[in-house]
Amino acid sequence: ELKVEQNPLFLSMQEGKNYTIYCNYSTTSDRLYWYRQDPGKSLESLFVLLSNGAVKQEGRLMASLDTKARLSTLHITAAVHDLSATYFCAVDMTGSQGNLIFGKGTKLSVKP
Amino acid sequence: NAGVMQNPRHLVRRRGQEARLRCSPMKGHSHVYWYRQLPEEGLKFMVYLQKENIIDESGMPKERFSAEFPKEGPSILRIQQVVRGDSAAYFCASSPRRGADQPQHFGDGTRLSIL
Repeated sequence: ELKVEQNPLFLSMQEGKNYTIYCNYSTTSDRLYWYRQDPGKSLESLFVLLSNGAVKQEGRLMASLDTKARLSTLHITAAVHDLSATYFCAVDMTGSQGNLIFGKGTKLSVKP
Repeated sequence: NAGVMQNPRHLVRRRGQEARLRCSPMKGHSHVYWYRQLPEEGLKFMVYLQKENIIDESGMPKERFSAEFPKEGPSILRIQQVVRGDSAAYFCASSPRRGADQPQHFGDGTRLSIL
């Protein structure tokens, strides 16, 4: 059974600081996705990572994928309050029908 | 180009009643996925459908839950004889095809509350 583990689950940061969220998964995967969810809202797609060594950046967020280590990271640079949200990684297991397995999420709070 | 549309946004039911949740995928998308989210948890896969076919229902409880995606109209997730434990946010997502190198697009969800 595929398991997806994120850490930390809760993260309180000060504005201007850097931090990394980790996403480990337990079996071979074709694709890894990062989503953002604001309270009471839907999930917004942030990144799609499709191959070993993939790195994508958007603004203050950068995501990477190491399929050999079964690890993805979401790095936050110089955090701002607007980044406060819950961040989920989700994995599409190789050979699956396409349904995603989600981590429990990392609740990020950026304080001034 | 409208996104994934779910309705209702909020649904309140008493124990024993039926709940019907609707999802219209994005235009051009023929694959629909239903997920359930409990408070402070990630999303859990329930069922994957294409038009008139259930492809994978491995995440669906065996009793009381059913899903369909008819040739015409939205996908429906139906919960019969609801219980308190069914209270959750139910999200629908769509994609143009399986294995696409683009993410599933999510609707705003239906928050189901059981009294």
